[in-house]
Amino acid sequence: DTAVSQTPKYLVTQMGNDKSIKCEQNLGHDTMYWYKQDSKKFLKIMFSYNNKELIINETVPNRFSPKSPDKAHLNLHINSLELGDSAVYFCASSQDLAGSHNEQFFGPGTRLTVL
Amino acid sequence: GEDVEQSLFLSVREGDSSVINCTYTDSSSTYLYWYKQEPGAGLQLLTYIFSNMDMKQDQRLTVLLNKKDKHLSLRIADTQTGDSAIYFCADVNQAGTALIFGKGTTLSVSS
Repeated sequence: DTAVSQTPKYLVTQMGNDKSIKCEQNLGHDTMYWYKQDSKKFLKIMFSYNNKELIINETVPNRFSPKSPDKAHLNLHINSLELGDSAVYFCASSQDLAGSHNEQFFGPGTRLTVL
Repeated sequence: GEDVEQSLFLSVREGDSSVINCTYTDSSSTYLYWYKQEPGAGLQLLTYIFSNMDMKQDQRLTVLLNKKDKHLSLRIADTQTGDSAIYFCADVNQAGTALIFGKGTTLSVSS
């Protein structure tokens, strides 16, 4: 049983398009995250979402918006895609926010390629 | 700002010990983590250490923490080819809302 799942695994699209990546966790966790991993494998937090509170990394462009229909899902919408958005996007979840010790469980990643 | 630094590459022979080093800037860190990423996969928690500990051992893994120097290391004994992966050191950001990852150390194990 997959703990954190993401769809699609691969996404190839044209510049200027709008796309979504879906994430679901079946662990009953209260907190979910989106991370971006660039071509050099550097990993940075984009969003944390806990009990309907959204914490945004201020460096993330507002073309990116997370949407949580319920506690088990945190989807990522991206508008007006740019070449620099090409990366692997990871969803993760944990029981609580990172401040108290919580193992974060990561999804398998979505490789986004913008042409 | 908060930062976590690691060397980017380490190459060892099978059977040798590997030591991956990490430095961090946030002195209020309570937990520090090591995550492993195998090719094409997400990250998995390998081990963690609480800040009031100097050392933690878990089978082939030994974590050393020097809080004064803000230095964390991961030692893998008897390194195997299956240990080839990227290893990320991570700290919790000051707001307690997310992990800050180092740039990852690519460990390459040759037989």
